[in-house]
Amino acid sequence: QAVVTQEPSLTVSPGGTVTLTCGSSTGPVTSGHYPYWFQQKPGQAPMTLIYDTSNKDSWTPARFSGSLLGGKAALTLSGAQPEDEADYYCLLFYGGARPYSVFGTGTKVTVL
Amino acid sequence: EVQLLESGGGLVQPGGSLRLSCAASGFTVSSNYMTWVRQAPGKGLEWLSVLYSGDSKYYADSVKGRFITSRDNSKNTLYLQMNSLRAEDTAVYYCARGRDWGQGTLVTVSS
Repeated sequence: QAVVTQEPSLTVSPGGTVTLTCGSSTGPVTSGHYPYWFQQKPGQAPMTLIYDTSNKDSWTPARFSGSLLGGKAALTLSGAQPEDEADYYCLLFYGGARPYSVFGTGTKVTVL
Repeated sequence: EVQLLESGGGLVQPGGSLRLSCAASGFTVSSNYMTWVRQAPGKGLEWLSVLYSGDSKYYADSVKGRFITSRDNSKNTLYLQMNSLRAEDTAVYYCARGRDWGQGTLVTVSS
C-alpha cells in the first residue's frame, strides 16, 4: 500500500502563514485522491478541516485553505493563531479494484 | 445532528478477540461508507477499513484476515470484530463517516 508523507514539524509566528504538504509514494496527488485534512489536539479526537481537496467543514476557520500544489495536497494556514497549534494529518484515497485510504505521517505545527 | 459513539474497548490478552461497536445517530449507517481508524499511543492515525453501502469491505494490510467490519441496519450500528489481537493493536479506535468522527474507544492488548 502507498506511503503518504508530510513534514514532521513546522513552526509559524502568530499572524504568519505556513503551508503543510501531503505527498504520495505512488505519484502526484490529484483530486481523485479526495484529500482530507484533519486537526488533532492533545487528548482529543481528530476533527475534519478540509475534505475533497478544498472544501471546508462547517466549523473550519476561514484562515485554513486546501489546494493541490506541485503534485501534492496542501493545507495553508494564513494568519496563525495560538489555538492552531496542533497535529495535522492528511488522508488520501486510492481507488481501484481494492480501494483503500492512507493517512499521512502527520505534521506538528507550533505557533511561536 | 450526526453523532458516533464507539464502545467495547478494554483490556484483552494477546491472541484474544474483541468486538467494537459504533452507534450512529442523525444519519443511516447503511446508506453511507463507514470507516475504522486507530491511533496507537503517541503515534499517528492509521486507516483500518471501509464498509460501503453496497456491503463491499476493504482493509488495511495490517489487519486483513484478522479484523472484520460489519453493520446491523436495525440498530444503525457499525462493528469491528478484532481477532488474534497483538500488543501492536493497542490503540484508540475511532469510527468515522467521512467528515464525522466518534470520540474513540481504547483497546489495550496485554497479558
